Amino acid sequence: LAKTTQPISMDSYEGQEVNITCSHNNIATNDYITWYQQFPSQGPRFIIQGYKTKVTNEVASLFIPADRKSSTLSLPRVSLSDTAVYYCLVGGNQGGKLIFGQGTELSVKP
Amino acid sequence: SQTIHQWPATLVQPVGSPLSLECTVEGTSNPNLYWYRQAAGRGLQLLFYSVGIGQISSEVPQNLSASRPQDRQFILSSKKLLLSDSGFYLCAWSFKGAADEQYFGPGTRLTVT
Repeated sequence: LAKTTQPISMDSYEGQEVNITCSHNNIATNDYITWYQQFPSQGPRFIIQGYKTKVTNEVASLFIPADRKSSTLSLPRVSLSDTAVYYCLVGGNQGGKLIFGQGTELSVKP
Repeated sequence: SQTIHQWPATLVQPVGSPLSLECTVEGTSNPNLYWYRQAAGRGLQLLFYSVGIGQISSEVPQNLSASRPQDRQFILSSKKLLLSDSGFYLCAWSFKGAADEQYFGPGTRLTVT
C-alpha cells in the first residue's frame, strides 16, 4: 500500500477554510484516496473518498491533481468542533487493509 | 440504519489474565469486520479482519486472537494479557466491495496493570 505523508499538526481559527495536504508519491493506478476524522477517545469517522479531480460532500472537498501524487482535504469555515486528527489513507479495495499513519492534528481556535 | 456496538467501554485487567472484547453490528448482513488497536499516540494498527463467519485473517502476530461465531458478531480474545496489550481497541465494519469506507465502534480502553 502507498505510504502517505501529511503535516503532524495545523492551527486555524473559527470561520477559516482549512486545507490539509497529503503526499502519496507511490500511489498505484487502482488506489483510492480516503480521509478519516478522529475525535479523542472515539473511533475514526469516514469523511470523503476520491480517485481523481474533485469530490465534494456536505462535510468537505477533496482535490486530487492529475498526477494523483498528492491530495488536499478542504474544510470550509471550520468551527471549534472540527478540532480533531485527520488521516489520509491510500489503497485499493484490498480486503480493508487500511493503514493509518500519524495523521494531522487540527486545532481550531476561537 | 446500521449501528455498531462494543463493550465494555473501559477495562482494567492484570497481566496474565484473559480478555474478551465483543463487537456486534446491527442493520446489515454479511459485513466485513475489523479489529484495530490504537496505542498512545495516533496510528491505528489493524489486528484482524473477517469477511465471513469463521473466516479470520491476522495481520500482526501476537497473543491475541479473534473469532466470528455469528454473522454480525466479532470477538477479540487473549488467554494471557501482556502490559503491551494496553491500548484503545476499535471494532469496525464495512460493506463488501467498499472496504475502504469503514464504520467504527465507540472503542474499548484497555489498561493492563
